[in-house]
Amino acid sequence: GENVEQHPSTLSVQEGDSAVIKCTYSDSASNYFPWYKQELGKRPQLIIDIRSNVGEKKDQRIAVTLNKTAKHFSLHITETQPEDSAVYFCAASENTGFQKLVFGTGTRLLVSP
Amino acid sequence: EAGVVQSPRYKIIEKKQPVAFWCNPISGHNTLYWYRQNLGQGPELLIRYENEEAVDDSQLPKDRFSAERLKGVDSTLKIQPAELGDSAVYLCASSPDRGRGRQFFGPGTRLTVL
Repeated sequence: GENVEQHPSTLSVQEGDSAVIKCTYSDSASNYFPWYKQELGKRPQLIIDIRSNVGEKKDQRIAVTLNKTAKHFSLHITETQPEDSAVYFCAASENTGFQKLVFGTGTRLLVSP
Repeated sequence: EAGVVQSPRYKIIEKKQPVAFWCNPISGHNTLYWYRQNLGQGPELLIRYENEEAVDDSQLPKDRFSAERLKGVDSTLKIQPAELGDSAVYLCASSPDRGRGRQFFGPGTRLTVL
């Protein structure tokens, strides 16, 4: 089955800096890669996703890039703000014909003012 | 549009006691998922429903866990009897398009087994 590794486990940046979180996956047939943001005690919220027919997607200050050959994808947050502080999870779909997601272990992002 | 609703939000029980969690998905979402999230980890799928049919329960510990989704809308996840290792957050998610769409999560139920 699919295996997703996520790095780093913690990331501290200054407000205004950029943050990059990286994930690798094992199943070359995976075709869907969402990113979720989870604030303490709250639900995971979908912030951006990308499908395998696209190499990059951007939504305001966040972007995701996908390298199918290397089987890795990354989340980029520019001009970070304190409210970006949260745990971020990447996920990849198993090729079972539906979105059975396998999640990474999470990255705790801390943005200091 | 209203999000996924779960109750209760918190539950503390003694080991060997039964416990049940309830989920109401987003209206019109025919796919429903139950996940378990251990502290410091990502969610792990327990079971997936397409309407009222459980189509993937391969990761559900069937000796003590059970689930149902009557009428293809609300769902209940039950643990009987609970063990110390069951302490976790139980998340429900729903998705349109027969499971090929984006998944939207509920707030979860934090279970503590003493």
